[in-house]
Amino acid sequence: EAGVAQSPRYKIIEKRQSVAFWCNPISGHATLYWYQQILGQGPKLLIQFQNNGVVDDSQLPKDRFSAERLKGVDSTLKIQPAKLEDSAVYLCASSGRNEKLFFGSGTQLSVL
Amino acid sequence: QQQVKQSPQSLIVQKGGIPIINCAYENTAFDYFPWYQQFPGKGPALLIAIRPDVSEKKEGRFTISFNKSAKQFSLHIMDSQPGDSATYFCAPCSGTASKLTFGTGTRLQVTL
Repeated sequence: EAGVAQSPRYKIIEKRQSVAFWCNPISGHATLYWYQQILGQGPKLLIQFQNNGVVDDSQLPKDRFSAERLKGVDSTLKIQPAKLEDSAVYLCASSGRNEKLFFGSGTQLSVL
Repeated sequence: QQQVKQSPQSLIVQKGGIPIINCAYENTAFDYFPWYQQFPGKGPALLIAIRPDVSEKKEGRFTISFNKSAKQFSLHIMDSQPGDSATYFCAPCSGTASKLTFGTGTRLQVTL
Protein backbone atom coordinates (compact mmCIF):
# COMPACT_ATOMS: atom_id res chain seq x y z
CA GLU A 1 0.00 0.00 0.00
CA ALA A 2 1.13 3.56 -0.63
CA GLY A 3 2.59 5.36 2.35
CA VAL A 4 1.90 8.80 3.78
CA ALA A 5 2.72 11.44 1.19
CA GLN A 6 4.02 14.87 2.15
CA SER A 7 5.06 17.91 0.16
CA PRO A 8 7.13 19.90 -0.26
CA ARG A 9 10.19 17.97 0.82
CA TYR A 10 12.12 21.11 1.72
CA LYS A 11 11.15 24.73 2.26
CA ILE A 12 13.27 27.77 2.99
CA ILE A 13 11.57 31.02 3.98
CA GLU A 14 12.40 34.23 5.77
CA LYS A 15 10.97 35.02 9.17
CA ARG A 16 7.53 36.60 9.16
CA GLN A 17 6.66 34.87 5.88
CA SER A 18 3.93 32.25 5.65
CA VAL A 19 4.28 28.62 4.63
CA ALA A 20 1.99 25.65 4.09
CA PHE A 21 2.58 21.92 4.15
CA TRP A 22 0.43 19.24 2.59
CA CYS A 23 -0.23 15.66 3.67
CA ASN A 24 -2.06 12.77 2.03
CA PRO A 25 -2.54 9.91 4.51
CA ILE A 26 -2.75 6.21 3.79
CA SER A 27 -6.05 5.39 2.12
CA GLY A 28 -8.74 4.52 4.66
CA HIS A 29 -6.90 5.91 7.68
CA ALA A 30 -9.32 8.01 9.69
CA THR A 31 -6.77 9.52 12.07
CA LEU A 32 -4.19 12.03 10.93
CA TYR A 33 -1.44 13.68 12.97
CA TRP A 34 0.98 16.54 12.51
CA TYR A 35 4.23 16.38 14.48
CA GLN A 36 7.06 18.89 14.81
CA GLN A 37 10.58 17.47 15.11
CA ILE A 38 13.27 19.95 16.06
CA LEU A 39 16.83 18.86 15.26
CA GLY A 40 18.14 16.50 17.93
CA GLN A 41 14.74 15.98 19.57
CA GLY A 42 11.88 13.53 19.36
CA PRO A 43 8.72 14.41 17.46
CA LYS A 44 6.14 16.50 19.32
CA LEU A 45 2.45 16.23 18.51
CA LEU A 46 0.93 19.44 17.18
CA ILE A 47 -2.55 18.32 16.21
CA GLN A 48 -4.60 15.15 15.78
CA PHE A 49 -7.62 14.77 13.51
CA GLN A 50 -10.24 12.04 13.56
CA ASN A 51 -11.80 12.20 10.10
CA ASN A 52 -12.25 15.97 9.66
CA GLY A 53 -12.63 16.80 13.36
CA VAL A 54 -9.90 17.95 15.74
CA VAL A 55 -9.20 15.50 18.59
CA ASP A 56 -6.22 17.20 20.20
CA ASP A 57 -4.60 20.53 19.39
CA SER A 58 -3.37 21.34 22.89
CA GLN A 59 0.25 21.80 21.76
CA LEU A 60 -0.50 23.77 18.60
CA PRO A 61 0.63 27.43 18.82
CA LYS A 62 -2.69 28.74 17.62
CA ASP A 63 -1.54 32.33 17.26
CA ARG A 64 0.55 31.34 14.25
CA PHE A 65 -0.20 27.72 13.36
CA SER A 66 -3.39 26.42 11.76
CA ALA A 67 -4.38 23.09 10.27
CA GLU A 68 -7.36 21.73 8.45
CA ARG A 69 -8.64 18.46 7.07
CA LEU A 70 -11.76 19.54 5.26
CA LYS A 71 -12.91 16.32 3.57
CA GLY A 72 -11.44 13.91 6.10
CA VAL A 73 -8.59 12.91 3.78
CA ASP A 74 -5.82 15.39 2.87
CA SER A 75 -4.59 17.92 5.39
CA THR A 76 -2.67 21.17 5.31
CA LEU A 77 -0.63 22.77 8.09
CA LYS A 78 0.06 26.49 7.85
CA ILE A 79 2.41 28.78 9.71
CA GLN A 80 1.83 32.53 9.54
CA PRO A 81 4.00 34.39 10.38
CA ALA A 82 6.98 32.08 10.74
CA LYS A 83 9.61 32.55 13.44
CA LEU A 84 13.19 31.36 13.55
CA GLU A 85 12.29 28.76 16.19
CA ASP A 86 9.83 27.13 13.76
CA SER A 87 12.76 25.63 11.86
CA ALA A 88 12.12 21.90 12.12
CA VAL A 89 10.89 18.84 10.25
CA TYR A 90 7.11 18.67 10.08
CA LEU A 91 5.93 15.08 10.03
CA CYS A 92 2.52 13.85 9.07
CA ALA A 93 1.31 10.47 10.27
CA SER A 94 -1.88 8.47 9.90
CA SER A 95 -3.41 5.48 11.62
CA GLY A 96 -6.27 3.12 11.03
CA ARG A 97 -8.28 0.87 13.32
CA ASN A 98 -5.25 -0.83 14.88
CA GLU A 99 -3.90 2.62 15.87
CA LYS A 100 -0.44 1.83 14.49
CA LEU A 101 1.08 5.09 13.25
CA PHE A 102 2.68 5.38 9.83
CA PHE A 103 4.81 8.45 9.27
CA GLY A 104 5.61 10.33 6.10
CA SER A 105 9.15 11.49 5.31
CA GLY A 106 8.37 15.01 6.46
CA THR A 107 8.92 18.56 5.27
CA GLN A 108 12.16 20.17 6.39
CA LEU A 109 11.53 23.87 7.09
CA SER A 110 14.32 26.39 7.45
CA VAL A 111 13.37 29.89 8.63
CA LEU A 112 16.09 32.47 7.98
CA GLN B 1 8.49 15.37 27.01
CA GLN B 2 10.60 15.66 30.17
CA GLN B 3 8.68 12.67 31.53
CA VAL B 4 10.53 10.35 29.14
CA LYS B 5 14.30 10.08 29.31
CA GLN B 6 16.48 8.02 26.98
CA SER B 7 20.07 6.94 27.41
CA PRO B 8 22.62 6.96 26.03
CA GLN B 9 22.31 9.94 23.70
CA SER B 10 24.60 8.25 21.19
CA LEU B 11 26.20 4.86 20.83
CA ILE B 12 28.86 3.31 18.61
CA VAL B 13 29.19 -0.46 18.41
CA GLN B 14 31.01 -2.85 16.14
CA LYS B 15 29.15 -5.16 13.81
CA GLY B 16 27.86 -8.14 15.77
CA GLY B 17 27.73 -6.23 19.03
CA ILE B 18 24.61 -5.86 21.20
CA PRO B 19 23.67 -2.21 21.70
CA ILE B 20 21.29 -1.54 24.57
CA ILE B 21 19.15 1.60 24.71
CA ASN B 22 17.24 2.54 27.83
CA CYS B 23 14.08 4.53 28.41
CA ALA B 24 12.89 5.78 31.80
CA TYR B 25 9.43 7.22 32.29
CA GLU B 26 7.50 8.89 35.09
CA ASN B 27 3.87 8.49 34.09
CA THR B 28 2.56 5.31 35.71
CA ALA B 29 -0.51 5.47 33.46
CA PHE B 30 1.58 4.46 30.43
CA ASP B 31 0.49 1.05 29.20
CA TYR B 32 2.05 0.77 25.73
CA PHE B 33 5.82 0.86 25.26
CA PRO B 34 7.06 1.08 21.67
CA TRP B 35 10.43 1.71 20.08
CA TYR B 36 10.64 3.63 16.82
CA GLN B 37 13.51 3.59 14.33
CA GLN B 38 14.28 6.65 12.21
CA PHE B 39 16.72 6.85 9.31
CA PRO B 40 18.00 10.22 8.07
CA GLY B 41 15.45 11.95 5.88
CA LYS B 42 12.67 9.55 6.85
CA GLY B 43 9.88 9.54 9.39
CA PRO B 44 9.98 7.23 12.41
CA ALA B 45 8.80 3.65 11.90
CA LEU B 46 7.49 1.31 14.58
CA LEU B 47 10.13 -1.31 15.38
CA ILE B 48 8.75 -3.27 18.31
CA ALA B 49 6.34 -2.65 21.18
CA ILE B 50 5.36 -4.26 24.47
CA ARG B 51 2.39 -4.15 26.83
CA PRO B 52 3.01 -4.23 30.63
CA ASP B 53 1.59 -7.72 31.06
CA VAL B 54 4.88 -9.26 29.89
CA SER B 55 8.49 -8.51 30.87
CA GLU B 56 10.16 -9.31 27.57
CA LYS B 57 9.28 -9.49 23.88
CA LYS B 58 11.48 -10.62 21.03
CA GLU B 59 11.00 -10.00 17.33
CA GLY B 60 13.86 -11.16 15.16
CA ARG B 61 17.05 -9.49 16.36
CA PHE B 62 15.18 -6.91 18.46
CA THR B 63 14.19 -7.47 22.09
CA ILE B 64 12.33 -5.26 24.54
CA SER B 65 12.87 -5.75 28.26
CA PHE B 66 10.33 -4.13 30.55
CA ASN B 67 10.74 -3.39 34.27
CA LYS B 68 7.47 -2.02 35.60
CA SER B 69 8.68 -1.39 39.17
CA ALA B 70 11.67 0.62 37.94
CA LYS B 71 9.55 2.37 35.28
CA GLN B 72 12.10 1.51 32.63
CA PHE B 73 12.22 -0.42 29.38
CA SER B 74 15.11 -1.24 27.11
CA LEU B 75 15.79 -2.11 23.50
CA HIS B 76 18.44 -4.75 22.72
CA ILE B 77 19.68 -5.32 19.20
CA MET B 78 21.30 -8.72 18.74
CA ASP B 79 24.02 -9.25 16.14
CA SER B 80 23.88 -5.59 15.14
CA GLN B 81 24.52 -4.68 11.49
CA PRO B 82 25.61 -1.47 9.76
CA GLY B 83 22.04 -1.22 8.41
CA ASP B 84 20.82 -0.77 11.97
CA SER B 85 22.58 2.60 12.12
CA ALA B 86 19.74 5.00 12.85
CA THR B 87 18.15 7.04 15.60
CA TYR B 88 15.96 5.13 18.02
CA PHE B 89 13.12 6.66 20.01
CA CYS B 90 11.08 5.25 22.83
CA ALA B 91 7.53 6.59 22.78
CA PRO B 92 5.39 5.29 25.64
CA CYS B 93 1.73 6.20 25.89
CA SER B 94 -1.46 5.46 27.76
CA GLY B 95 -4.97 4.61 26.73
CA THR B 96 -4.65 4.74 22.99
CA ALA B 97 -1.54 3.66 21.10
CA SER B 98 -1.70 6.88 19.12
CA LYS B 99 -0.92 9.23 22.04
CA LEU B 100 2.84 8.83 21.89
CA THR B 101 5.33 10.68 24.10
CA PHE B 102 8.65 10.53 22.27
CA GLY B 103 11.96 10.41 24.09
CA THR B 104 14.94 12.49 23.01
CA GLY B 105 16.39 9.76 20.84
CA THR B 106 19.55 7.63 20.72
CA ARG B 107 21.79 7.85 17.70
CA LEU B 108 23.27 4.42 16.99
CA GLN B 109 26.21 3.80 14.68
CA VAL B 110 27.24 0.25 13.85
CA THR B 111 30.73 0.05 12.39
CA LEU B 112 32.26 -2.73 10.30
